[in-house]
Amino acid sequence: DAGVIQSPRHEVTEMGQEVTLRCKPISGHDYLFWYRQTMMRGLELLIYFNNNVPIDDSGMPEDRFSAKMPNASFSTLKIQPSEPRDSAVYFCASSLGQGIGGELFFGEGSRLTVL
Amino acid sequence: AQTVTQSQPEMSVQEAETVTLSCTYDTSENNYYLFWYKQPPSRQMILVIRQEAYKQQNATENRFSVNFQKAAKSFSLKISDSQLGDTAMYFCAFMKPQAGTALIFGKGTTLSVSS
Repeated sequence: DAGVIQSPRHEVTEMGQEVTLRCKPISGHDYLFWYRQTMMRGLELLIYFNNNVPIDDSGMPEDRFSAKMPNASFSTLKIQPSEPRDSAVYFCASSLGQGIGGELFFGEGSRLTVL
Repeated sequence: AQTVTQSQPEMSVQEAETVTLSCTYDTSENNYYLFWYKQPPSRQMILVIRQEAYKQQNATENRFSVNFQKAAKSFSLKISDSQLGDTAMYFCAFMKPQAGTALIFGKGTTLSVSS
């Protein structure tokens, strides 16, 4: 399996622009997670899905952030409008939820820089 | 709410030496899972070792072992015979025992291994 695939790997944009990050989870995994990593706050959970349904979005910073999972093989995290404080590495991870305590498999992350 | 604390932001060690990374956590759960993830400069998050709280025996994976002290809520990682490739940021993480729950991470410890 190719693992969790994220795109783009790097994104540089200007304040106010819309940003869309993409994720393809491991085939057969039924849970998908979006994390954000910054130096100040470490790894924070933004939102996660089970069988394409959002389960917990309490970590989403504000209304500028939205996430969708239209099918089992694709998810997006959108920021509109973007701000410099959104600069971070955004990770997508997936897991097979039937295995309690199972491992989360992470993508390589998308590094976002908002100027 | 669960919290994970890593009190050592940075550590350094010479090749072939042993190093221990500290982690404490706070939870009211009796059963749960603990993890150590490694993040090398490539950004890829890699599972190092996993411990189930109901198991008294400490987990071991080759040169990596843990010292799990449930009463003290402590979960340290010992790396024996350190190698240059161990240079990375190490994250301690907590997971509740329900299927498909998210990982809660500590802020990480940056480990540098030098020759």
